[in-house]
Amino acid sequence: GAGVSQSPSNKVTEKGKDVELRCDPISGHTALYWYRQRLGQGLEFLIYFQGNSAPDKSGLPSDRFSAERTGESVSTLTIQRTQQEDSAVYLCASSLVGQTPLHFGNGTRLTVT
Amino acid sequence: QQQVKQSPQSLIVQKGGISIINCAYENTAFDYFPWYQQFPGKGPALLIAIRPDVSEKKEGRFTISFNKSAKQFSLHIMDSQPGDSATYFCAASGDNFNKFYFGSGTKLNVKP
Repeated sequence: GAGVSQSPSNKVTEKGKDVELRCDPISGHTALYWYRQRLGQGLEFLIYFQGNSAPDKSGLPSDRFSAERTGESVSTLTIQRTQQEDSAVYLCASSLVGQTPLHFGNGTRLTVT
Repeated sequence: QQQVKQSPQSLIVQKGGISIINCAYENTAFDYFPWYQQFPGKGPALLIAIRPDVSEKKEGRFTISFNKSAKQFSLHIMDSQPGDSATYFCAASGDNFNKFYFGSGTKLNVKP
């Protein structure tokens, strides 16, 4: 079946604008993760959704970042008042709860000018 | 605090050589250690993984060596090929895979 789909693939925005990134996980995957990957660096955990449980937001870097998930489907990551340091690739991954592997999308490359 | 430390940052290997990437962790609660491979413009994909109850796992040309007492694990790529050129990430997870911690990545370049 289809893999994890992320949109847009690229986003250029001006500093101070809000952006919304979308993730469509694999159907049936109840666990969903957002990671940030700065240029040449590793994956930084942002947030984790597991079914109807309260999300683990411990990785969100500031209150400008928020994420929502509708049931066990689409998730959106919103960054308000974007800053240049928010420029990165934002990766979404999904999995069956308590199982591996993580299936990653191809990411959204965000550039804040 | 970085949960998983990875080295080297970059690696150049001749075709046919052995590529070795190392990772270390601190949290003894981790019980699952995967390696992911990432090509430019793509998301990471699972390559191979190991549990701490074994010291080595081999899949084709890829081998994970695990040293529980030292809290270290490594990826060995035998007979490295130009097609293996990618960025490799180690990771660790515990608590029923509720959270994965990734290393900083190693960019591997296999010269033909």
